[in-house]
Amino acid sequence: DVKVTQSSRYLVKRTGEKVFLECVQDMDHENMFWYRQDPGLGLRLIYFSYDVKMKEKGDIPEGYSVSREKKERFSLILESASTNQTSMYLCASTDRYNSPLHFGNGTRLTVT
Amino acid sequence: AQKVTQAQTEISVVEKEDVTLDCVYETRDTTYYLFWYKQPPSGELVFLIRRNSFDEQNEISGRYSWNFQKSTSSFNFTITASQVVDSAVYFCALRRVTGANNLFFGTGTRLTVIP
Repeated sequence: DVKVTQSSRYLVKRTGEKVFLECVQDMDHENMFWYRQDPGLGLRLIYFSYDVKMKEKGDIPEGYSVSREKKERFSLILESASTNQTSMYLCASTDRYNSPLHFGNGTRLTVT
Repeated sequence: AQKVTQAQTEISVVEKEDVTLDCVYETRDTTYYLFWYKQPPSGELVFLIRRNSFDEQNEISGRYSWNFQKSTSSFNFTITASQVVDSAVYFCALRRVTGANNLFFGTGTRLTVIP
């Protein structure tokens, strides 16, 4: 079974802090994704990566950056956290376009 | 443009009732994939089913069934004899076979099964 692991289940950070959300998958998937989930808005794509050191902006990349130095790890970075980034963050991976995404458990981030 | 609509934001049913979750999609592609995911309170989205655009055969898996109708661009999900463990948020998604940002989710339907 594919395992996607997000390093933290809950995080509380202060406004202005730099925040790192880590995601690791164990199935050698090329494609990895970061989504943000908010009530009534569903899942919105922040960034995705289709290979090591490759990244593409999703629908809402502002205020975020990503890093993919190794195939199994995809990090989401909030350069200067703001209260409107309080949300649930979900990481996912997949190998092919017709394959389902495999999701991590999510990180619930609160910025105060 | 691609779009997935789940018009039902929240549904509540009493245990053992049947319930159908609606999913309507928009695309001009001839080849695409449709998915349903379940998100229980634990938070992790769990894959339920994948259907490609050339396969309109309905599928049944235990108490779950899916009705794919290309003519109405719908991919509806029915739970028969619902149980409390079915309480979750359910997402429908469409995935194109081209383009980099090619996966489109609906906004989800929160199902509550009351014992």
